[in-house]
Amino acid sequence: AQKITQTQPGMFVQEKEAVTLDCTYDTSDQSYGLFWYKQPSSGEMIFLIYQGSYDEQNATEGRYSLNFQKARKSANLVISASQLGDSAMYFCAMLKTGNQFYFGTGTSLTVIP
Amino acid sequence: EPEVTQTPSHQVTQMGQEVILRCVPISNHLYFYWYRQILGQKVEFLVSFYNNEISEKSEIFDDQFSVERPDGSNFTLKIRSTKLEDSAMYFCASSERRNEQFFGPGTRLTVL
Repeated sequence: AQKITQTQPGMFVQEKEAVTLDCTYDTSDQSYGLFWYKQPSSGEMIFLIYQGSYDEQNATEGRYSLNFQKARKSANLVISASQLGDSAMYFCAMLKTGNQFYFGTGTSLTVIP
Repeated sequence: EPEVTQTPSHQVTQMGQEVILRCVPISNHLYFYWYRQILGQKVEFLVSFYNNEISEKSEIFDDQFSVERPDGSNFTLKIRSTKLEDSAMYFCASSERRNEQFFGPGTRLTVL
């Protein structure tokens, strides 16, 4: 069963605009963590942001924020003021009890000047 | 800034051979992971390691694979009797806590 779903294979955003990348997850665990990673064309994986299932506030890291809606099981990534360097693949991932990770299929973001 | 390192950056091997992929996690980190990413596909979790033992492994991580932390700094992934479908980028990651994760640059494994 698909544990992490990213329904947007590709997204475009104008430079300086905000963009939301969708992620939904499936788990019956009470304790879990949600991660977002960026993978530029060079191939490295860059950790962006983390949200714990018990965190009451949405996580923020600079221009990245995570719109966590626990009842809907969604953890969307919001990138504000997009920059050309934000063009990359973005992966949502879930850490379940027992230290196993599940990744989504990714969203390719292209920032248009 | 400390970072996870991986060697080699590219490994080419013949089908049926054994390979060892090496990782040096960040020194104070406690959790270690291996992932693979077949070209153009999503990242797949292989195994996690904590307190000198495997804490979780995926269905991909069968008897063909093994991990070791031989000397307190290196973290290795051994793939026995490689198959064509083992060709992928293999990422090591480490973390001090469970709410973060730092990836190495990856080893590209090509099985001929």
